[in-house]
Amino acid sequence: DSGVTQTPKHLITATGQRVTLRCSPRSGDLSVYWYQQSLDQGLQFLIQYYNGEERAKGNILERFSAQQFPDLHSELNLSSLELGDSALYFCASSVDTNTEAFFGQGTRLTVV
Amino acid sequence: AQSVTQLDSQVPVFEEAPVELRCNYSSSVSVYLFWYVQYPNQGLQLLLKYLSGSTLVKGINGFEAEFNKSQTSFHLRKPSVHISDTAEYFCAVSGYGGSQGNLIFGKGTKLSVKP
Repeated sequence: DSGVTQTPKHLITATGQRVTLRCSPRSGDLSVYWYQQSLDQGLQFLIQYYNGEERAKGNILERFSAQQFPDLHSELNLSSLELGDSALYFCASSVDTNTEAFFGQGTRLTVV
Repeated sequence: AQSVTQLDSQVPVFEEAPVELRCNYSSSVSVYLFWYVQYPNQGLQLLLKYLSGSTLVKGINGFEAEFNKSQTSFHLRKPSVHISDTAEYFCAVSGYGGSQGNLIFGKGTKLSVKP
């Protein structure tokens, strides 16, 4: 157990819908990262937050957004969902940007 | 821009045999290098990392990797594998700003250990 908690573990939704994925980082970690793992694209970095502020952006679609709250938990919002958004979404956390990141178990999103 | 190439998508091997999983990277700046393992239906677990210093890095579960700057490689090795090593292995390089969490991953290598 890495100490990073992601909910829900599984999510099935229809095309066009909006979902929110939640991540609770390890105690004391200020940085949160979101990744998407799909068969087509592999593991891709989406976005990073550090202490509530966006720090780095990767291949995140405009339909996707994220935020980190004062209690340091983070949410990834996915809207206007398409079949191709079906993937495993991972959250990772680290104490700061220059230390090892620990990954959660992921949320498997299925868009039907 | 950085990139990572894992040369083998699948590697079958018999139990107790040695294994090498190959990884090459491309970068115009100094990088940090990582190997992660993903067991079925699990998250990613760090096996080992190279930040600086000795080019031979030892990790968990008996794995080691060697950083070779001239060949831009970071191959993962284990002298004797077990059935429990069956998993997918990902090589990664640090992305923007040298962050250890903002990573660029290879496509992965599925290691299948047969009895």
